[in-house]
Amino acid sequence: AQSVSQHNHHVILSEAASLELGCNYSYGGTVNLFWYVQYPGQHLQLLLKYFSGDPLVKGIKGFEAEFIKSKFSFNLRKPSVQWSDTAEYFCAVNARAAGNKLTFGGGTRVLVKP
Amino acid sequence: GAVVSQHPSRVICKSGTSVKIECRSLDFQATTMFWYRQFPKQSLMLMATSNEGSKATYEQGVEKDKFLINHASLTLSTLTVTSAHPEDSSFYICSARTWGNTEAFFGQGTRLTVV
Repeated sequence: AQSVSQHNHHVILSEAASLELGCNYSYGGTVNLFWYVQYPGQHLQLLLKYFSGDPLVKGIKGFEAEFIKSKFSFNLRKPSVQWSDTAEYFCAVNARAAGNKLTFGGGTRVLVKP
Repeated sequence: GAVVSQHPSRVICKSGTSVKIECRSLDFQATTMFWYRQFPKQSLMLMATSNEGSKATYEQGVEKDKFLINHASLTLSTLTVTSAHPEDSSFYICSARTWGNTEAFFGQGTRLTVV
């Protein structure tokens, strides 16, 4: 079945460590890719998005993501995390092949230890 | 950026009653709205897609008679959980986008507790 997969369910790391969260999708054709963050008790916020152009996308709060079409991947990175980055991160894909519906990955819960 | 507002943010209701959740786009016309459900520690699961003026399209496994969706105007969609049961307790989230745009904007969610 077509889907969005996030490989890590939980990630624990210390402040200043680098973060990389994996996201793979299985849709062919045109896709738009998103990373959302959900801080404890808050609603979803858009971190960054890829529609076209430069496959390396920079978002808010120092996050970036790289679209690798050949690998069907859109991994999220941050070189140096802060305690305030503790949150749940969701990858989402809008695919024409899936009727232009936004499909979410399972989410990755990130805990940054001070 | 575009703002989507959900109301109420929290609601507690008795088993067997119905609950209506509103989703409003405050500064844009939402030709399409989406309703999601999020169980604790899980991802968002799409329940249905509604286009203004049309019947909603429900995802497989979602009971359309239980989760009534109305999208009568370009700024308002409602989700009514009918004859609510404790297993309907969840976090319901709407998102909205305008015609021709791929990016959707999310409401803050509604936490429904059925007792």
